[in-house]
Amino acid sequence: EAQVTQNPRYLITVTGKKLTVTCSQNMNHEYMSWYRQDPGLGLRQIYYSMNVEVTDKGDVPEGYKVSRKEKRNFPLILESPSPNQTSLYFCASSFWTGGRNQPQHFGDGTRLSIL
Amino acid sequence: SQQGEEDPQALSIQEGENATMNCSYKTSINNLQWYRQNSGRGLVHLILIRSNEREKHSGRLRVTLDTSKKSSSLLITASRAADTASYFCATDAGGSTLGRLYFGRGTQLTVWP
Repeated sequence: EAQVTQNPRYLITVTGKKLTVTCSQNMNHEYMSWYRQDPGLGLRQIYYSMNVEVTDKGDVPEGYKVSRKEKRNFPLILESPSPNQTSLYFCASSFWTGGRNQPQHFGDGTRLSIL
Repeated sequence: SQQGEEDPQALSIQEGENATMNCSYKTSINNLQWYRQNSGRGLVHLILIRSNEREKHSGRLRVTLDTSKKSSSLLITASRAADTASYFCATDAGGSTLGRLYFGRGTQLTVWP
């Protein structure tokens, strides 16, 4: 089954404790992206990647890191989480065709609470 | 910011009625996409319309795009209770923002049986 898998789905942790949210897709997509969703603010793009070893900043990259060492994986790293990073996070992937964004396939989300 | 803005923020209708949601954006785009999100779940892609297209259909969905007004509309005909969800538009502009995808804040649609 074609899917984007995020782990963990839920996480409660404390300020400053490094964490990684994994994202994996099985559709051979070139493009992958991370978003955060906060009430009243919609989805905001954190980082995206158009291919292996290529990553770029989105709207809200501060406090986050990503890497794209393999085509299928795009982990999101919070080196020193803070309470303002409490949010619902989504990973998404798509083909990257003709230099244009294509329909995104979303994971089920990761709800992070930073105390 | 290129972020699209959906209007209205919330829409409440009866089953069988049509639902229309609008999206406005600020700069030229390559394409515009509409997504649906059931409460707390991941977004699901509905329709993609390119900047050189004016209208697209998919089942009960009709999307229009007016690039001169920088706006798009999503029409859901003969709404069902199962259409209750949040609907988002997303735009990409290419150029210096190649790869970036901008989502609006969404329209919360409630369809009453």
